[in-house]
Amino acid sequence: KNEVEQSPQNLTAQEGEFITINCSYSVGISALHWLQQHPGGGIVSLFMLSSGKKKHGRLIATINIQEKHSSLHITASHPRDSAVYICAGTGNQFYFGTGTSLTVIP
Amino acid sequence: NAGVTQTPKFQVLKTGQSMTLQCAQDMNHEYMSWYRQDPGMGLRLIHYSVGAGITDQGEVPNGYNVSRSTTEDFPLRLLSAAPSQTSVYFCASTGGLAYGYTFGSGTRLTVV
Repeated sequence: KNEVEQSPQNLTAQEGEFITINCSYSVGISALHWLQQHPGGGIVSLFMLSSGKKKHGRLIATINIQEKHSSLHITASHPRDSAVYICAGTGNQFYFGTGTSLTVIP
Repeated sequence: NAGVTQTPKFQVLKTGQSMTLQCAQDMNHEYMSWYRQDPGMGLRLIHYSVGAGITDQGEVPNGYNVSRSTTEDFPLRLLSAAPSQTSVYFCASTGGLAYGYTFGSGTRLTVV
């Protein structure tokens, strides 16, 4: 069992929809990261959070330490949001989820 | 621009050949790491380093060597390439566990 689990694995949405990607972890971590990888592209760090909520533009990340759960929300989704979103935790080492592939259809 | 520089971007090797993937960062980050990314498996840690002169194995270290003689550079060596090492390789650095990652642009390696 992976220490970091993401759901769903694949997600297709219509442009403008509100999107939620979930991440659950089973190990102790000091911080939770959300990363974005565009098709054929590099990996970009979106958020790093250890508590509460962070917002950047249309992206919102939340974490619940007690429940060991984090969510990434995208409001008013756009085709350019199509990418793989990866959740990762840092504790004694770095733990990665397998990613959620998001496709936003115009 | 500050960041992580990975070279080469693409490489084709024959089975049994050796090569070195280069990774350099100019942010004075202590922590550097190498990952491979395979379809359906996500990012898997190969080796990491928490500072110059210190390296350790990750989840999938077999067939790879690393060294960290300076803070800036963290090369990954394939000793004798095998088709199972066909993958996309990413180098990343961070100032510490409480900081975000910076990733290199990746190296797409094919072993034939």
